[in-house]
Amino acid sequence: QITLKESGPTLVKPTQTLTLTCTFSGFSLRTNGVGVGWVRQPPGKALQWLVLIYWDDDERYSPSLKSRLTITKDTSKNQVVLTMTNMDPVDTATYYCVHRNSGGLLDYWGQGTLVTVSS
Amino acid sequence: EIAMTQSPATLSVSPGERATLSCRASQSVSSNLAWYQQKPGQAPRLLIYGASTRATGIPARFSGSGSGTEFTLTISSLQSEDFAVYYCQQYNDWPKYTFGQGTKLEIK
Repeated sequence: QITLKESGPTLVKPTQTLTLTCTFSGFSLRTNGVGVGWVRQPPGKALQWLVLIYWDDDERYSPSLKSRLTITKDTSKNQVVLTMTNMDPVDTATYYCVHRNSGGLLDYWGQGTLVTVSS
Repeated sequence: EIAMTQSPATLSVSPGERATLSCRASQSVSSNLAWYQQKPGQAPRLLIYGASTRATGIPARFSGSGSGTEFTLTISSLQSEDFAVYYCQQYNDWPKYTFGQGTKLEIK
């Protein structure tokens, strides 16, 4: 059974750096084709894909946010960490950790964590 | 970037009736199209992938069709638990996944 869970601060100040951790179970990030990524959703708005990291350490970023994002993985701990710099109130959103299967599908999602950016 | 457009934004349907939701891609995504259901306070749940394949555990009243740029999600007989927001998403141009703006399915 695949599960993912996000953890991190619920409130950050403008200009600060956000660090979120995804802890997962039920699969290995050493498996060919598998990836873990992040999707966010501002309150009342649509979903936006942010970033993915693959089993082979390849990283892919949303072009619009690439300069602010970093993703890393710790396979031994079954964790993926997202870092987003220079946070702004428009970055207020629920951030979801997602499992990407070998077919390219985002098939399992974490429960999400709401991050508010406010001074 | 491939843009996904969903219509209508809101759909009002009575329980037991059929609901038809549309999704259009700005360029062909072949059959690499997924549908998700999201209820308030919950994460999206995968319903359909490959444009027409139901994910594990999804009831048969949910069906998907289409290819290329035009797609449809049909719910044959609405149950109370089906009222939610539905998103389409293309994964043809991965990893630049893009989602539609969503269709809110509400009780009439």
